[in-house]
Amino acid sequence: GQSLEQPSEVTAVEGAIVQINCTYQTSGFYGLSWYQQHDGGAPTFLSYNALDGLEETGRFSSFLSRSDSYGYLLLQELQMKDSASYFCAVNGGATNKLIFGTGTLLAVQP
Amino acid sequence: GAVVSQHPSWVICKSGTSVKIECRSLDFQATTMFWYRQFPKQSLMLMATSNEGSKATYEQGVEKDKFLINHASLTLSTLTVTSAHPEDSSFYICSARGGQGPNEQFFGPGTRLTVL
Repeated sequence: GQSLEQPSEVTAVEGAIVQINCTYQTSGFYGLSWYQQHDGGAPTFLSYNALDGLEETGRFSSFLSRSDSYGYLLLQELQMKDSASYFCAVNGGATNKLIFGTGTLLAVQP
Repeated sequence: GAVVSQHPSWVICKSGTSVKIECRSLDFQATTMFWYRQFPKQSLMLMATSNEGSKATYEQGVEKDKFLINHASLTLSTLTVTSAHPEDSSFYICSARGGQGPNEQFFGPGTRLTVL
């Protein structure tokens, strides 16, 4: 089967740094994406890793280790507006369909 | 950036009726569209992959006769929930990709379906 595991909830304070981990087991792997979803909204794309290493996009960075089937999203200088659900997703094949992780609810406190 | 719209944004219907949800790519041609379902506080579950002009590919466990998908043009895909029941109440989200890179998939705002 296919699975992507994430911690269910993470709590942090404004200005802090938080890391959200994702371990995956899928039949195919083209890359790992990260999405943010506010309550009731659509997922918005944050980052994508096709190769091992760190990708940095502003306050957000994403890391991938294909040999470990592991990745993480790093959020720096947390703001209240970062409170949302975060999903990792594997791009698993030629059709580019996404298989989403279990999701992590991030709560940023003042 | 690429924009994907969905209509309606929410719908309430009686049990046994059918509901059609539209997904449109507004400023690009979508060769592939995807349909997801999301229950409260859960992840997005891929239901089917839809390619323009061909039959949709359904994920395991998704009833193709209950969730009818049509992708008749490069900018429009529809999902029809037939004979809806309360357990079909969910947030339905589409996404679309054109000729962009493998990580480029653009999501619609979602449709909240409530079946009474």
